[in-house]
Amino acid sequence: SQQGEEDPQALSIQEGENATMNCSYKTSINNLQWYRQNSGRGLVHLILIRSNEREKHSGRLRVTLDTSKKSSSLLITASRAADTASYFCATDRRDNYGQNFVFGPGTRLSVLP
Amino acid sequence: EAQVTQNPRYLITVTGKKLTVTCSQNMNHEYMSWYRQDPGLGLRQIYYSMNVEVTDKGDVPEGYKVSRKEKRNFPLILESPSPNQTSLYFCASSLYPGTNTEAFFGQGTRLTVV
Repeated sequence: SQQGEEDPQALSIQEGENATMNCSYKTSINNLQWYRQNSGRGLVHLILIRSNEREKHSGRLRVTLDTSKKSSSLLITASRAADTASYFCATDRRDNYGQNFVFGPGTRLSVLP
Repeated sequence: EAQVTQNPRYLITVTGKKLTVTCSQNMNHEYMSWYRQDPGLGLRQIYYSMNVEVTDKGDVPEGYKVSRKEKRNFPLILESPSPNQTSLYFCASSLYPGTNTEAFFGQGTRLTVV
């Protein structure tokens, strides 16, 4: 079953605008991560936020985490055409042999020039 | 260079012909995992491994096998491929996921079963 669920499924914005994507999850976590995937390529790690952190920044990325609501958001400021990609959140879920990475279905972001 | 290497990148095969997709990592990671990616369904986990000889089913294991005889390698085996296994496959590795560590991904294997 899906641990992380991103929202919206697809987002289209103009270059220079901000893009916000959300992720909800179901069980307790140690951390939540965001990854980016260019079309058909492998995922690339963007940022990790620990369960005891509420906000984290990395360049034009801002991630928030609300463990009471089991949700996170990824904000990309001043978007560029090169930000066009799919974005996935990943959480660690307790499985039979320990913690396991679980990914949501992703948000497809299109930044129009 | 730290990397996860999958082979082959592209594969077209016929129904029922056994195949193996290899995955190798050079970072001494304990954790390795296989995912398949289909349109609209995101990444679904097939199998994962916490260390040598420790493997477990993910969310969609039917029709797949794995083995972890060495720390660096985690091959995905399709004993009798079927057309519904046509997909984009990714291998990933990391240190133990509970240690606030990131996952590293291979470049993917696009498999077509006809």
